[in-house]
Amino acid sequence: QSALTQPRSVSGSPGQSVTISCTGTSSDVGAYNYVSWYQQHPGKAPKLMIYDVSKWPSGVPDRFSGSKSGNTASLTISGLQAEDEADYYCCSYAGNYVIFGGGTKVTVL
Amino acid sequence: QVQLEQWGAGLLKPSETLSLTCGVFGGTLSNYYWSWIRQPPGKGLEWIGEISHSGGTYYIPSLKSRVTISVDTSKKQFSLKMSSVTVADTAVYYCARVTGGETYYFDYWGQGTLVTVSS
Repeated sequence: QSALTQPRSVSGSPGQSVTISCTGTSSDVGAYNYVSWYQQHPGKAPKLMIYDVSKWPSGVPDRFSGSKSGNTASLTISGLQAEDEADYYCCSYAGNYVIFGGGTKVTVL
Repeated sequence: QVQLEQWGAGLLKPSETLSLTCGVFGGTLSNYYWSWIRQPPGKGLEWIGEISHSGGTYYIPSLKSRVTISVDTSKKQFSLKMSSVTVADTAVYYCARVTGGETYYFDYWGQGTLVTVSS
């Protein structure tokens, strides 16, 4: 099972929007609406930001939004803020296993 | 508020067995799966496997022959054992709670334990 494909890095200025893609296959991302996204700051544990493709956990600002089309899921951060600078990982349920993306570093310029 | 606290040996020699335990505080083991995830230095996350409160397990195929995840409901703990470790197993290991059923996501994470394998 290869990792889901994410861009290595994306960047944007404060207030702008950035979108991170997450491409899998018809066995994982395309098969289930169980895509989640995690934010990870250096030296910290990952934090759940989006689940079930587009749902927000309590406490996560709605500047973060998720979507999916076919085998590709996306995370959009609107109104980019300095504290959004971090690594982001997508994750998909795939039946008897779980697969993560390789991670995307978001830089706030 | 659910909290996961993990502990275990951080330095191993090749061929030894990795052993980590995760304690669950402020919540119940029931109705959830409990997972282990690792992250090699500077790299991405890798799901290792998970266990239900009743002991049902799933493992990533590439590690299945070396990994055992177990649960102790009386202590509200679950554990990871990985045999015959190599340098490639050097990583930060996280425990996490899985909310599943008609959904799937990791909503609570442990603090992470750096396990270094070196001769």
